[in-house]
Amino acid sequence: SAVISQKPSRDICQRGTSLTIQCQVDSQVTMMFWYRQQPGQSLTLIATANQGSEATYESGFVIDKFPISRPNLTFSTLTVSNMSPEDSSIYLCSVVGGGVYTQYFGPGTRLTVL
Amino acid sequence: QKEVEQDPGPLSVPEGAIVSLNCTYSNSAFQYFMWYRQYSRKGPELLMYTYSSGNKEDGRFTAQVDKSSKYISLFIRDSQPSDSATYLCAMSAYNNAGNMLTFGGGTRLMVKP
Repeated sequence: SAVISQKPSRDICQRGTSLTIQCQVDSQVTMMFWYRQQPGQSLTLIATANQGSEATYESGFVIDKFPISRPNLTFSTLTVSNMSPEDSSIYLCSVVGGGVYTQYFGPGTRLTVL
Repeated sequence: QKEVEQDPGPLSVPEGAIVSLNCTYSNSAFQYFMWYRQYSRKGPELLMYTYSSGNKEDGRFTAQVDKSSKYISLFIRDSQPSDSATYLCAMSAYNNAGNMLTFGGGTRLMVKP
């Protein structure tokens, strides 16, 4: 399985500001996913990020609010823009596992918006 | 109705008990089934992976799929306090690298020493 790291691990931000979350994988992967996990809830897919193309967003998520970059096969960023307290959540990146058709997750970024 | 239903718990059991965690689903196209374990303040960790119906065993863990009933289970034998975590079921209809997972809401398990 891939080893995935995320930065920052947690942050407390003020309303109206933006935060960029980084996801680094120890091997080259084609597809990366960004999820949100609100307190006590399961995972909701925000978008799929392929290297060299625009991210594909799920219903309810838009690029202006959650811009994503995917500059190479081992790295991606998710920005949470113009934050409000409703954006307080854990943000997780994941990659598809090699040889096994499932996903492996990073440790998550715990965001609190005041 | 959600596509995947999972009892949120919490489920509290004594150490050594057999634990049964379950999910039901409505989409008959699902054929890949996974269980993830998520410790507090950590990302989900893949625990078990099965394809189609049947059982799969890995140590103290057994995953069971009944596609006719649209029901999957995870059994934990000889449960340990270290098993205390949230268990998420996930499933997919696809077998390619673009698979999209649908998650259950998670069941919080507490194993008391």
